[in-house]
Amino acid sequence: QVQLQESGPGLVKPSQTLSLTCTVSGGSISSGNYYWSWVRLPAGKGLEWVGRVYSTGYTNFKSSLKSRVTISLDTSKNQVSLKLNSVTAADSAVYFCARSSMKTYAFDIWGQGTVVTVSS
Amino acid sequence: DIVVTQSPDSLAVSLGERATINCKSSQSVLNGNKNYLAWYQQKPGQPPNLLIYWASTRESGVPDRFSGSGSGTDFTLTINSLQAEDVAVYYCQPYYTTPLFGPGTRVEIK
Repeated sequence: QVQLQESGPGLVKPSQTLSLTCTVSGGSISSGNYYWSWVRLPAGKGLEWVGRVYSTGYTNFKSSLKSRVTISLDTSKNQVSLKLNSVTAADSAVYFCARSSMKTYAFDIWGQGTVVTVSS
Repeated sequence: DIVVTQSPDSLAVSLGERATINCKSSQSVLNGNKNYLAWYQQKPGQPPNLLIYWASTRESGVPDRFSGSGSGTDFTLTINSLQAEDVAVYYCQPYYTTPLFGPGTRVEIK
């Protein structure tokens, strides 16, 4: 049973870099056929896809965030990381990591999410 | 830009009655013979839960009162015989070359 667990600071200062890690258990991120994504849920708003990484390290990002986002794999730790720089209050949200199949492109496994607040 | 809309924004349905949620995409998600459109249920404090993929295929373990239909740009999620545990926000997620989520529809009990 594949499980995802997000971790990272819950408070980030404006203009600094948000850094989160998703630890994957029960399966390898190096195996093909899956994308590993970050999705966020701002308070009072809807879900927003941030970006994804494939097992090869290939990445895609939401166009409006592309200049600020990095997503990478650490295969030795079986982790997926997210870095979002130059954050503002608008980046405050619950951040989820999620797996999607290259067969269905649907997100079938999600982490529980981690709350990030951007504030001085 | 691709635009995804859901209607209604919210709806209140009596227990045991039917709830219908619509999702419309400005671009077709039909590729080959598959419509790349998924539906999710999200309850407060929980991650989203995949209900439907390929527009109409129910994920394993999802009750059969949930069904999806539609093709191309117009899709529907139907919840037959609404239960109290179905109170949630429902999102559609079309897939083009990258994922995109609809704005969500809140379902409540009347």
